[in-house]
Amino acid sequence: GQNIDQPTEMTATEGAIVQINCTYQTSGFNGLFWYQQHAGEAPTFLSYNVLDGLEEKGRFSSFLSRSKGYSYLLLKELQMKDSASYRCAVEDSNYQLIWGAGTKLIIKP
Amino acid sequence: IAGITQAPTSQILAAGRRMTLRCTQDMRHNAMYWYRQDLGLGLRLIHYSNTAGTTGKGEVPDGYSVSRANTDDFPLTLASAVPSQTSVYFCASSPGTGGGTEAFFGQGTRLTVV
Repeated sequence: GQNIDQPTEMTATEGAIVQINCTYQTSGFNGLFWYQQHAGEAPTFLSYNVLDGLEEKGRFSSFLSRSKGYSYLLLKELQMKDSASYRCAVEDSNYQLIWGAGTKLIIKP
Repeated sequence: IAGITQAPTSQILAAGRRMTLRCTQDMRHNAMYWYRQDLGLGLRLIHYSNTAGTTGKGEVPDGYSVSRANTDDFPLTLASAVPSQTSVYFCASSPGTGGGTEAFFGQGTRLTVV
């Protein structure tokens, strides 16, 4: 079967750093995406990893280890507007996205 | 319009009724998708279309049908709605498939079947 696991909820402090983990087991792998979704809004693209290693984009970075079936999203210098759900999605062998249930990130002042 | 638009924004529907959710994009994207999002679950793919004139079944296609007569439009039809189809429905599009192509999402349709 196909399975993607993320923590349900995390809490962090404004200005701090938080790491959101994602583990996956899918039929084939053609890349891993991270999306951000604010409450009541559509998901928006954050990052894409297909090779092992770290991809940095401003305050956000995403890491991938294909051998471990593992990724994380690292958010630095947290701002209140970063409060949202963060969704990990894997593109399988048919190029379809398999989505995790998402991690709700709560930022406290 | 710019981007991807869904209509209606929300709808309350009596069980057994037929309903079509509309989705239109003006980005000339080849691929389009319909997802449902339920509390505590990830986005689940209902149907997809890799290019105009073709459609495919996703993870949860039962009770839904789609058509892709042209590049811009990808309507989702519930032939006879049931309460378990109460959900938030998102339409998305992407330039193609594979290679990390980003998907762009509509604002969603909140459907309640009573």
